[in-house]
Amino acid sequence: RKEVEQDPGPFNVPEGATVAFNCTYSNSASQSFFWYRQDCRKEPKLLMSVYSSGNEDGRFTAQLNRASQYISLLIRDSKLSDSATYLCVVNRGGADGLTFGKGTHLIIQP
Amino acid sequence: EPEVTQTPSHQVTQMGQEVILRCVPISNHLYFYWYRQILGQKVEFLVSFYNNEISEKSEIFDDQFSVERPDGSNFTLKIRSTKLEDSAMYFCASSWDRRDTQYFGPGTRLTVL
Repeated sequence: RKEVEQDPGPFNVPEGATVAFNCTYSNSASQSFFWYRQDCRKEPKLLMSVYSSGNEDGRFTAQLNRASQYISLLIRDSKLSDSATYLCVVNRGGADGLTFGKGTHLIIQP
Repeated sequence: EPEVTQTPSHQVTQMGQEVILRCVPISNHLYFYWYRQILGQKVEFLVSFYNNEISEKSEIFDDQFSVERPDGSNFTLKIRSTKLEDSAMYFCASSWDRRDTQYFGPGTRLTVL
């Protein structure tokens, strides 16, 4: 089983729509959770950390379900500039290195 | 805003040659990392470095690889005897603490011919 699994997409979504991504992780010892965004041939950039209580940053909402080992990201009122690959990332407790999913490719269409 | 920088942006080398990839982490950060991303694949952790020594390394980081902090600002990844399968984007990252956000540099695209 892959450590971090994501639907690769692509998700083709009209501008202004709401889109949701999911991610599952296999290591129950994971302690930190993140969504990173990666544009084509660029570096991953932190979008937001994910907290157990759920958290929101503007149009973005992240949720964590530790019991199901499941992380979600919701994007409201999507913009053309949201087109990117969204990487689900976990950090195993006690580890330095981040474990990345392969990413979900989002295309916002005008 | 402080950022991680990497040089060169693109390195082309012949199979069997040695390459050194360079990174300047964010100045007050204490943890440094190397990751790689083969084209079309996920980002993979290679190694972390703290207090002038390797803190953690993955299975990928074998004897072919080494890291060094030769001075107070640079952090390097050396790949000896490069293979075709070493072709990838190599990202450097840094963080203040091991649990803190890791900030990534723009990457070095390594092409092994």
